[in-house]
Amino acid sequence: QQQVKQSPQSLIVQKGGISIINCAYENTAFDYFPWYQQFPGKGPALLIAIRPDVSEKKEGRFTISFNKSAKQFSLHIMDSQPGDSATYFCAASRTGTASKLTFGTGTRLQVTL
Amino acid sequence: EAGVAQSPRYKIIEKRQSVAFWCNPISGHATLYWYQQILGQGPKLLIQFQNNGVVDDSQLPKDRFSAERLKGVDSTLKIQPAKLEDSAVYLCASSFYRGAVLVDEQFFGPGTRLTVL
Repeated sequence: QQQVKQSPQSLIVQKGGISIINCAYENTAFDYFPWYQQFPGKGPALLIAIRPDVSEKKEGRFTISFNKSAKQFSLHIMDSQPGDSATYFCAASRTGTASKLTFGTGTRLQVTL
Repeated sequence: EAGVAQSPRYKIIEKRQSVAFWCNPISGHATLYWYQQILGQGPKLLIQFQNNGVVDDSQLPKDRFSAERLKGVDSTLKIQPAKLEDSAVYLCASSFYRGAVLVDEQFFGPGTRLTVL
């Protein structure tokens, strides 16, 4: 019930292309869905987040699409750059649980020249 | 603004030995989290503190893991005795209250990579 499933496990995209990472959740009580970006040797850092009252949120080249009925959300990276090469984690939490995050298993993104 | 500090960055120990990790959260952050990140997996919450009180330790293996945050600022996570399966990166994160509401964003430190041989 608390699981967040993430795919793909790894992704190789050419510079300028679109990177798409998908996540699915089971617990319908989740109401906060962040994406964290992690570079080697660093801790995760919040990239972008969404709540279920909207179906899409865009910040620069990063967009979250949210499908409440399917219990799925995805991260789109437009015009992918080599500097975007990192591991991306989706997560979910429920208001009132003191922001306890359940993370996906991560996607290692490599953007090639 | 200084970020979350953790030490040591790396630790190698033999199984059955003990080890301790230290975390200093961002100044003013009342909430502190310890996560375990096994290679190839997402971070898993071990324990959450609000000031010096435990909010959630449901996933902490209490037979071998302990954590404290005595003065509501820095925190120590201990493993005694360590097992091979404890090899992981241990991440500390912190967050703050905006008024009466805990902000959703968590700020992570660089982690301590533990190898148990």
